Amino acid sequence: DVKVTQSSRYLVKRTGEKVFLECVQDMDHENMFWYRQDPGLGLRLIYFSYDVKMKEKGDIPEGYSVSREKKERFSLILESASTSQTSMYLCATGRNSGNTIYFGEGSWLTVV
Amino acid sequence: QKEVEQDPGPLSVPEGAIVSLNCTYSNSAFQYFMWYRQYSRKGPELLMYTYSSGNKEDGRFTAQVDKSSKYISLFIRDSQPSDSATYLCAMKKGTNAGKSTFGDGTTLTVKP
Repeated sequence: DVKVTQSSRYLVKRTGEKVFLECVQDMDHENMFWYRQDPGLGLRLIYFSYDVKMKEKGDIPEGYSVSREKKERFSLILESASTSQTSMYLCATGRNSGNTIYFGEGSWLTVV
Repeated sequence: QKEVEQDPGPLSVPEGAIVSLNCTYSNSAFQYFMWYRQYSRKGPELLMYTYSSGNKEDGRFTAQVDKSSKYISLFIRDSQPSDSATYLCAMKKGTNAGKSTFGDGTTLTVKP
């Protein structure tokens, strides 16, 4: 079974803090993704990475950055958290030619 | 206008009912169509995958794609309380699953 682990399930941070969300996968997938999910707005792609040290912007990259130093690990960074970034964040992985992606259980971030 | 529109719900049905979940889309380049199921406080998981037009059946679930009408459906027969979840449609142009466009989701409750 594919395992995608998001280490922090529930976080509360203050406005202006730097926030790191970590994601680790155990299936040697090339691609890793960060989404956020909000009521009424669905699932939106923030960034994705198709290889170590490679990244591409998704639909809503503003206010976020990412890091992929190792194939199995993909980090989402909020340089200066704002209340508008309160959301559920989902990490996902997949193969280059795969028909599906595998999601982690999500990280619920509240910025106060 | 969103590329993918999903019937918003929520939907509440008695156990044993037939459920129909629907999405429309505007981009004729979409070739691959997926349905994900998401339980509360969990990440989505792939339920059904279809390429191009036609029907696909898996147990109590049937996915239907009508590319001429740009319309996809998921039917659930003999619905069970364990089917209570949010269902997300997703679609993509190429083979990279992570670049899917998702609907907002329909929340289904099946009452015993």
